[in-house]
Amino acid sequence: AQSVTQPDIHITVSEGASLELRCNYSYGATPYLFWYVQSPGQGLQLLLKYFSGDTLVQGIKGFEAEFKRSQSSFNLRKPSVHWSDAAEYFCAVGSNSGNTPLVFGKGTRLSVIA
Amino acid sequence: KAGVTQTPRYLIKTRGQQVTLSCSPISGHRSVSWYQQTPGQGLQFLFEYFSETQRNKGNFPGRFSGRQFSNSRSEMNVSTLELGDSALYLCASSPPATGPYGYTFGSGTRLTVV
Repeated sequence: AQSVTQPDIHITVSEGASLELRCNYSYGATPYLFWYVQSPGQGLQLLLKYFSGDTLVQGIKGFEAEFKRSQSSFNLRKPSVHWSDAAEYFCAVGSNSGNTPLVFGKGTRLSVIA
Repeated sequence: KAGVTQTPRYLIKTRGQQVTLSCSPISGHRSVSWYQQTPGQGLQFLFEYFSETQRNKGNFPGRFSGRQFSNSRSEMNVSTLELGDSALYLCASSPPATGPYGYTFGSGTRLTVV
């Protein structure tokens, strides 16, 4: 069965500092991987996704993520965080074998301080 | 282009009552999936409908049900509400042939059971 672990429940970074959010997945085959962001009271917005090919994926809002098969990881990064990036971030894994639903991690809440 | 619309946004119900939530997908999207989001369990998949047929179902009791209409709008129903059903209910629609990999989420319905 697929599973996703986001080890950090809450992270606080200073505005302008770099950011890395961790995601580890468990899946037997090549996974489809996603990062979503959720602002308070809102739904989830897709930041980026990985299906195959280049293991460094660029997304919206200046985010990128790197797929590392050997570490079963798909960490999200941003070189310089803005106050508006404060939100909750979810990593998700999907199967490449049909219309199975995404499995989400429990999320990492990001706080940004001045 | 209108997004995914969920109504109502907020709902307060009494234990034992039943509730119906609505989701209108993006025009042209035929798949609608429902997720329950709680602080303790995170995002959990409820079910997915495609062309009026339930295509996938999560591990929830039979009190949770859904349906999809010919215009792709979907409703979910929870009967005999319990306190633990308090959650943010999110729906996501996706275009044909993308399945869950093309999710666009609505802003959710916040259900509070008292």
